[in-house]
Parts: sequence; C-alpha cells; structure tokens
Amino acid sequence: EAQVTQNPRYLITVTGKKLTVTCSQNMNHEYMSWYRQDPGLGLRQIYYSMNVEVTDKGDVPEGYKVSRKEKRNFPLILESPSPNQTSLYFCASKRTGLNQQFFGPGTRLTVL
Amino acid sequence: GENVEQHPSTLSVQEGDSAVIKCTYSDSASNYFPWYKQELGKRPQLIIDIRSNVGEKKDQRIAVTLNKTAKHFSLHITETQPEDSAVYFCAADSGAGSYQLTFGKGTKLSVIP
Repeated sequence: EAQVTQNPRYLITVTGKKLTVTCSQNMNHEYMSWYRQDPGLGLRQIYYSMNVEVTDKGDVPEGYKVSRKEKRNFPLILESPSPNQTSLYFCASKRTGLNQQFFGPGTRLTVL
Repeated sequence: GENVEQHPSTLSVQEGDSAVIKCTYSDSASNYFPWYKQELGKRPQLIIDIRSNVGEKKDQRIAVTLNKTAKHFSLHITETQPEDSAVYFCAADSGAGSYQLTFGKGTKLSVIP
C-alpha cells in the first residue's frame, strides 16, 4: 500500500531532550516536507527536500533540523526541544512534476 | 513570500444547504491551488485542486473557482451532509516550479442535521 508513515505518533518529552521524528514513504517520491499545525494557524512549513541530499528551510525552521540521506526517509530532528515546539507535525511527499502532496498520519508532540 | 488568507474561520450550515469558503493569495506567480479536508484527528486529504489556466473545476458536490486577476479562489460545497463537517484548508504554491505550499488558516465547517 502506497503510504507515508511517521513515528512516533505521540510523544511527550521534556525541555532540552533531543528527539527525532521519523518519516518514510514508499512511493519513490522525490519531494518531502515537514509541517507543523497549531490551532488557528493552519499548516506551516518547517523544512522541505527536493531530493536526496537537497534540503531547504520553509517558513518556520528555527529549532529544527532535517536530513535526507535516502530517498524514502526524511527525519525531523529537535536538538533541544522547547515548550513552543509543542504541536502536531505532519510529513508529506510528492512526485516531481505532479502537484498532489500525500500526508503522513501526524505526530503529536508535547514538550514539558 | 506567498500569503494566503482564508475566510470564514468557522461556518455553520443546515444539512442540504451550500457552503462557500474563500481564499485570497498574494503571489501572482502562484499557479496551483489545492483544497484539503481534515477530519478530527486525521491527516489532511486533498479533495479538489485547480491550476491557474482553469477558471472552474467540479467534482460531484464540490467545486472550486479561481479568479487570477483578483487573486482569489473559492470552494463551493452543495447539498451539504453531516459527513462534510471538518476543517478545510486552502493553499497556494509559490509558482515558478516551486513545490512549496502556503496554507490558509483553515475553516471549521459544521453541517447541522
């Protein structure tokens, strides 16, 4: 089944404790992206990747890192999480030349 | 960068009535405008999209219209049903081959049986 997966789906952590949220897609998509969703603010892009080893900042990249060593994986790294990073995170992917983005199931992160 | 404004933020309609959600965008280079539906606790799902070379697109009870001159586009849902209740997001790309999407802040649609 073609899909985007994220792990973990739920995470409660404490300030300053490094964490990684994984994202994987099995559709051989070149483009992958991370969004955060906060009440009343919609979806805001954190980072995106056009292909392996190519990443770029979105609208709200501060406090986040990403890597794209393989085509299928695009992990989101929070080196020192803070409470303002408490949010619902979505990974998405798409094929180059096509418009539709496919979203993962989301990761709800709480930073205490 | 692109800025997308979406109105209204909440909308309640009686079952069977029509619902209209409107968005405006700022970047005249934008040429792809999708609409996503997000049910409670679920991921956003694409329901309809339109490209800038088309003025209107329809899929059963859902239609999208685009006015490039005025830089606004709208989602129309006819004969609403309770299962249409969800949050709807519009988005616009950044044009020039960019894959980046800028989203509106969402509209919570409630269909009252």
